[in-house]
Amino acid sequence: AQSVTQLDSHVSVSEGTPVLLRCNYSSSYSPSLFWYVQHPNKGLQLLLKYTSAATLVKGINGFEAEFKKSETSFHLTKPSAHMSDAAEYFCVVNQAGTALIFGKGTTLSVSS
Amino acid sequence: GAGVSQSPRYKVAKRGQDVALRCDPISGHVSLFWYQQALGQGPEFLTYFQNEAQLDKSGLPSDRFFAERPEGSVSTLKIQRTQQEDSAVYLCASSLGSRDSALDTQYFGPGTRLTVL
Repeated sequence: AQSVTQLDSHVSVSEGTPVLLRCNYSSSYSPSLFWYVQHPNKGLQLLLKYTSAATLVKGINGFEAEFKKSETSFHLTKPSAHMSDAAEYFCVVNQAGTALIFGKGTTLSVSS
Repeated sequence: GAGVSQSPRYKVAKRGQDVALRCDPISGHVSLFWYQQALGQGPEFLTYFQNEAQLDKSGLPSDRFFAERPEGSVSTLKIQRTQQEDSAVYLCASSLGSRDSALDTQYFGPGTRLTVL
């Protein structure tokens, strides 16, 4: 069975500093991996997805993630945090091409 | 263009009442998914349609939950005899239904927040 583990439930950064949100996955075959963001009272928005074309994936709003098979990781990074990045972030694996399996989420707080 | 829409956005029900939650997917999207998101948790899969066919309902928590998509577009999630543990945000998502479904992107609606008193 596939699963994802988000290693931090809450991450706090200062505006302008780097962001690192950690995710490890478990999959018996080559997975499809995603990061979604959820702002308060808004729907889930896709940040980026890994589809085996390239291990370094660039997404929207300056976010990127690197697929590391040897470490079974798919960490999300951003060089410089902005106040508007404060939200809930979910690491997601695709199960057999249909149902998405979500991690428990990481709350990102950004202080000025 | 228009995204996935859901109605109502908020629903309060007394324990034992039946509720119906509606999802309007993006026009032309073949696949439709329902997820349940409890407070402080990630969404969990409930059921999946391809056009009008319900291909997977393995995530439905009990036989009180029923979903349909009779014409392959709008979908309704019905919960009978609601219980307090049914309180959650119910999310609907749709996708094109690409041949390589692992590459298919699911687009989510804003959700319906159900509170059962």
